[in-house]
Amino acid sequence: DQQVKQNSPSLSVQEGRISILNCDYTNSMFDYFLWYKKYPAEGPTFLISISSIKDKNEDGRFTVFLNKSAKHLSLHIVPSQPGDSAVYFCAASGLSGSNYKLTFGKGTLLTVNP
Amino acid sequence: NAGVTQTPKFQVLKTGQSMTLQCAQDMNHNSMYWYRQDPGMGLRLIYYSASEGTTDKGEVPNGYNVSRLNKREFSLRLESAAPSQTSVYFCASSEQEVAEAFFGQGTRLTVV
Repeated sequence: DQQVKQNSPSLSVQEGRISILNCDYTNSMFDYFLWYKKYPAEGPTFLISISSIKDKNEDGRFTVFLNKSAKHLSLHIVPSQPGDSAVYFCAASGLSGSNYKLTFGKGTLLTVNP
Repeated sequence: NAGVTQTPKFQVLKTGQSMTLQCAQDMNHNSMYWYRQDPGMGLRLIYYSASEGTTDKGEVPNGYNVSRLNKREFSLRLESAAPSQTSVYFCASSEQEVAEAFFGQGTRLTVV
């Protein structure tokens, strides 16, 4: 039973345009959501996060939107650059005791074409 | 500042062999994790350790054991490797009550 779903395995956009990556979740107990970026042969690196009490968080070219009623979040990258080409993982978590355990989606491969 | 360091980076095992994947972090984090990444499956949690001396099962623990040797080190052991354990393994660490986890570079393991 997949609790975090990224339904698009891949996305291709032109340089300078907006990239929108989507993520859905089923567990209403999740209270923190994160996006990770992964290049081939490297570990995932943290990109941006959002608490469930917010509906938007922005960091430079990256903005994450959260729609709790729809259990949906999205990552917007504007403008997209070729260096953004990577696999993007959505992750969700709730605090259990003093510890977070992240549940990841399957990832979306973003290709930004020059 | 090394962050999370995993060794080895690559390993080929024969079915039935055993090995230990090593992980160390220098960020003084209490929580450490082992994930595996398989094509089309995302990252799945194998085991985690909330603090030194404690370990708990994650989503896919079968066939693995872990040891939290001290606050810095968290090892993953395959006692009898199987082809189904061919995967890329990632170690991660985080502060308590903080969701953001930092990942190592990964260990690519092939079991033949």
